Amino acid sequence: DAGITQSPRHKVTETGTPVTLRCHQTENHRYMYWYRQDPGHGLRLIHYSYGVKDTDKGEVSDGYSVSRSKTEDFLLTLESATSSQTSVYFCAISVRRNTEAFFGQGTRLTVV
Amino acid sequence: QKEVEQNSGPLSVPEGAIASLNCTYSDRGSQSFFWYRQYSGKSPELIMFIYSNGDKEDGRFTAQLNKASQYVSLLIRDSQPSDSATYLCAVLINAGGTSYGKLTFGQGTILTVHP
Repeated sequence: DAGITQSPRHKVTETGTPVTLRCHQTENHRYMYWYRQDPGHGLRLIHYSYGVKDTDKGEVSDGYSVSRSKTEDFLLTLESATSSQTSVYFCAISVRRNTEAFFGQGTRLTVV
Repeated sequence: QKEVEQNSGPLSVPEGAIASLNCTYSDRGSQSFFWYRQYSGKSPELIMFIYSNGDKEDGRFTAQLNKASQYVSLLIRDSQPSDSATYLCAVLINAGGTSYGKLTFGQGTILTVHP
């Protein structure tokens, strides 16, 4: 699992509440990513980071924000959860720029 | 047109046969190509990568890349029931110079290997 831990692994939350998902890595890799996976859509990039306090948007960033104050932690926040954000969220890391990604175990989020 | 397209399947093959999984991509500037395997309820795991035109073999797996046709494939020889999974094609798009390439995934092909 490339030393990646996601928490929580499962969460049920109510519409309109803020939610934060955590990704922790033990290898001090520079590049970290948040993806969501939905049936029929595959994996879609939400946000990514190329260093502490350096982040950028992916293709489905609306309604999400991220923070990276330490190399090892990349946080994904749903500012006001909606049912359309019910999904499986994967964190990933890359060892070098523009190379393959290695994934964490995933977080299953349900917004009711 | 989606940037990376795969036939969602399901693809069903008998045990011992060759499974052929296909992927097309739209960005001619794409440089790197990856195949991931994902078992139900699990995270994707990298099984192959290929950067140059031609074939690349690793055990029972062969990745094939044709940049002129914007086509990448994965062949699984001597398919086993344990190969039953979703196979995701991923393409590194718009990577060059100091930019950060985006790893873009197809929707995946479900493969079932039946005894």
